[in-house]
Amino acid sequence: AQSVTQLDSHVSVSEGTPVLLRCNYSSSYSPSLFWYVQHPNKGLQLLLKYTSAATLVKGINGFEAEFKKSETSFHLTKPSAHMSDAAEYFCVVRVIKAAGNKLTFGGGTRVLVKP
Amino acid sequence: SQTIHQWPATLVQPVGSPLSLECTVEGTSNPNLYWYRQAAGRGLQLLFYSVGIGQISSEVPQNLSASRPQDRQFILSSKKLLLSDSGFYLCAWTQSGYRALIHEQFFGPGTRLTVL
Repeated sequence: AQSVTQLDSHVSVSEGTPVLLRCNYSSSYSPSLFWYVQHPNKGLQLLLKYTSAATLVKGINGFEAEFKKSETSFHLTKPSAHMSDAAEYFCVVRVIKAAGNKLTFGGGTRVLVKP
Repeated sequence: SQTIHQWPATLVQPVGSPLSLECTVEGTSNPNLYWYRQAAGRGLQLLFYSVGIGQISSEVPQNLSASRPQDRQFILSSKKLLLSDSGFYLCAWTQSGYRALIHEQFFGPGTRLTVL
């Protein structure tokens, strides 16, 4: 069975400073990994995805993530936080053999950006 | 391009009343469809998924049911709502078959349900 652990439930950063959101996964098979962002009372928007191609994945809004198989990690980073980055972020894993192509979500990390 | 719609956007219902939430997808055919619930301060919980018309898989035992009467329509229902049914309900879709291996799930805007 697969699982996803987001190591921080809350992250607070100052505008203009780097953001790091940590994610570890476990999976018996080669996973596909995603980061989604959710602004209050909105649906989830895909930031980026890893599907066994390049291990460094670039997404929208300046975010990127690196897949490290040896560490079973998929941490999300952004060099310079913007006020609009304040939201909740979900790390998600999909196992290829999962029935219905179901996703497994991490518990989420809420990001606060201080001016 | 593909779009996903959910309605209503918000709903306030008394305990014991019925529920019907609707989700429709445009611009694709034979999608996999999903219903999630997000309780306050919690992550997403998968409730149901469907890989075809009339095919529903339930992930957790609960007071809710789902139906897929048409290829791109997914309905979440309840006969009698409980207080614990309150939450933010999200519908999602993804490509089916081999294309699902590389495609993400696309989420709708959600429905905020409050049961009083």
